[in-house]
Amino acid sequence: RKEVEQDPGPFNVPEGATVAFNCTYSNSASQSFFWYRQDCRKEPKLLMSVYSSGNEDGRFTAQLNRASQYISLLIRDSKLSDSATYLCVSSFSGGYNKLIFGAGTRLAVHP
Amino acid sequence: DADVTQTPRNRITKTGKRIMLECSQTKGHDRMYWYRQDPGLGLRLIYYSFDVKDINKGEISDGYSVSRQAQAKFSLSLESAIPNQTALYFCATSHRWGDTDTQYFGPGTRLTVL
Repeated sequence: RKEVEQDPGPFNVPEGATVAFNCTYSNSASQSFFWYRQDCRKEPKLLMSVYSSGNEDGRFTAQLNRASQYISLLIRDSKLSDSATYLCVSSFSGGYNKLIFGAGTRLAVHP
Repeated sequence: DADVTQTPRNRITKTGKRIMLECSQTKGHDRMYWYRQDPGLGLRLIYYSFDVKDINKGEISDGYSVSRQAQAKFSLSLESAIPNQTALYFCATSHRWGDTDTQYFGPGTRLTVL
């Protein structure tokens, strides 16, 4: 079983739609969580951290449920520029903050 | 100029050849990492380094070696390349801040081993 699992998609949505991605992690010792965005053939870039209380950054909302070991990302009012792969990432301190990456969920926003 | 650079950006080589991928950073970070990315898999850590004298194996270090020549430079070598090392390779840097450290990635090197 992968340590971080995501639905690979693709999610095909029209502009303006709301879309949600889910992610589960298997290591209960995981301490921190992130969403990274990766455009095609480009490097991953940090989109946002995920906090236990949930957090919002503009059109993006991240939620964490430690009891269910579940993380989500909600994108409201999708833009064409949101088309990318979204990587769910967990981190736990094993001498350093080791990042465990999910394989990613691909989003395609169409006109 | 990019904060994390990788050279080459693309490389095609043959089985058995020795290959070196280079990474440089101007962010002043002490920590550097090498990952590989394969379709359908998440990024997997090959090696990481906390400073010039500290090198550690990641989860898939077999067939790879690294050198931390300076705080700003971290090279990955494939001593004898094989086809299943065909992948997208990323270098990353970070600086510990509190309990977490955000990693910043270079643009990647696409390596094909024939």
